Amino acid sequence: AQSVTQLDSHVSVSEGTPVLLRCNYSSSYSPSLFWYVQHPNKGLQLLLKYTSAATLVKGINGFEAEFKKSETSFHLTKPSAHMSDAAEYFCVVRVPGGGADGLTFGKGTHLIIQP
Amino acid sequence: DADVTQTPRNRITKTGKRIMLECSQTKGHDRMYWYRQDPGLGLRLIYYSFDVKDINKGEISDGYSVSRQAQAKFSLSLESAIPNQTALYFCATSADRDGSYEQYFGPGTRLTVT
Repeated sequence: AQSVTQLDSHVSVSEGTPVLLRCNYSSSYSPSLFWYVQHPNKGLQLLLKYTSAATLVKGINGFEAEFKKSETSFHLTKPSAHMSDAAEYFCVVRVPGGGADGLTFGKGTHLIIQP
Repeated sequence: DADVTQTPRNRITKTGKRIMLECSQTKGHDRMYWYRQDPGLGLRLIYYSFDVKDINKGEISDGYSVSRQAQAKFSLSLESAIPNQTALYFCATSADRDGSYEQYFGPGTRLTVT
């Protein structure tokens, strides 16, 4: 079975400071991993994805994530937070052969940006 | 225009009423999904469809039914709504291209059952 854990339900940072959103996964197989962002009253938008190529993945809006197999982690980072980054972020793991494309969603991390 | 649209965007209904949520997509994807989102629980899969003749139950299908009227349309029905079905509902699509399984989401329907 696969699972994904987002270690913080809420993260608060000041504008201009780094952002770190943590995600750990468990999987018996080599997973694909995704980060999605949800702005208020909007649907989910893909930020970035890891599909067994480079372990450091760059996404939109200056975000990146590093796949660390030894730590079973896929943390999302951004060097400098912007007010527009305030949103809910979801880490998603996919294992081949699962139903419905085998996707499992984390419970989300609410990112708050302080002015 | 949005690639994945949902109607209505907001709906308030009473316990026991039948309600249908509709989803349309212009992405040409074969695969479509219905999720519900509850605070602190993330997204949970209700039903999914890999093509017009293929419908599958997800994690929480009890109390829901679906219809795939065409490749581009996937509707979710609550036959007899109950208050614990109050949630934000999302439709999503994907295509099995390049093995990425990236999903594209609609804007959501906020449903309140009183």
